[in-house]
Amino acid sequence: GPKVLQIPSHQIIDMGQMVTLNCDPVSNHLYFYWYKQILGQQMEFLVNFYNGKVMEKSKLFKDQFSVERPDGSYFTLKIQPTALEDSAVYFCASSRDRNYAEQFFGPGTRLTVL
Amino acid sequence: QQKVQQSPESLSVPEGGMASLNCTSSDRNFQYFWWYRQHSGEGPKALMSIFSDGDKKEGRFTAHLNKASLHVSLHIRDSQPSDSALYFCAASHTGYQNFYFGKGTSLTVIP
Repeated sequence: GPKVLQIPSHQIIDMGQMVTLNCDPVSNHLYFYWYKQILGQQMEFLVNFYNGKVMEKSKLFKDQFSVERPDGSYFTLKIQPTALEDSAVYFCASSRDRNYAEQFFGPGTRLTVL
Repeated sequence: QQKVQQSPESLSVPEGGMASLNCTSSDRNFQYFWWYRQHSGEGPKALMSIFSDGDKKEGRFTAHLNKASLHVSLHIRDSQPSDSALYFCAASHTGYQNFYFGKGTSLTVIP
């Protein structure tokens, strides 16, 4: 079936550094999402993105976060600067349609901020 | 407060048995529900959606939704070892909006 890829699978960085998480969504999908999962907690919505714009974001999507998908390449989540509380697994998802559509998830990137 | 709650946290059933997973929400605006399954090392994968009250059956999987009680369940008939995974309930306010996930139920099917 359709697959979403995420690169890297693990990332360890020092607090204050910048990190970029990369997502390769399903090729004909138009809607993109990031979710955050802290160990032992539920996955929580961060942001969704369509047609080059953020459509909706949660309160977890801090000012230090940004997303983009330049020229149909990777859909990226950038955190600058990182904080200790950013340590989590970040899941990317994509969907073909806006309404009632299945979201396809990647395997996640485990981010550890030291 | 967590908007989507799942029970039990973990469940073991024998191969060939029935597994029943539950999900309740605290938000009456949730109208759309999905069940996702995640095997170790992979991302969550959609099993099925349910948007209307009643039962929806897909193969060995049956979902049941009761919007009045804000309860949705998933029943897996003739459970197989390959069904061993983490199962998530996801809810949204509209068909478009982002999902609210539960913490998941860990299912183990014992051969």
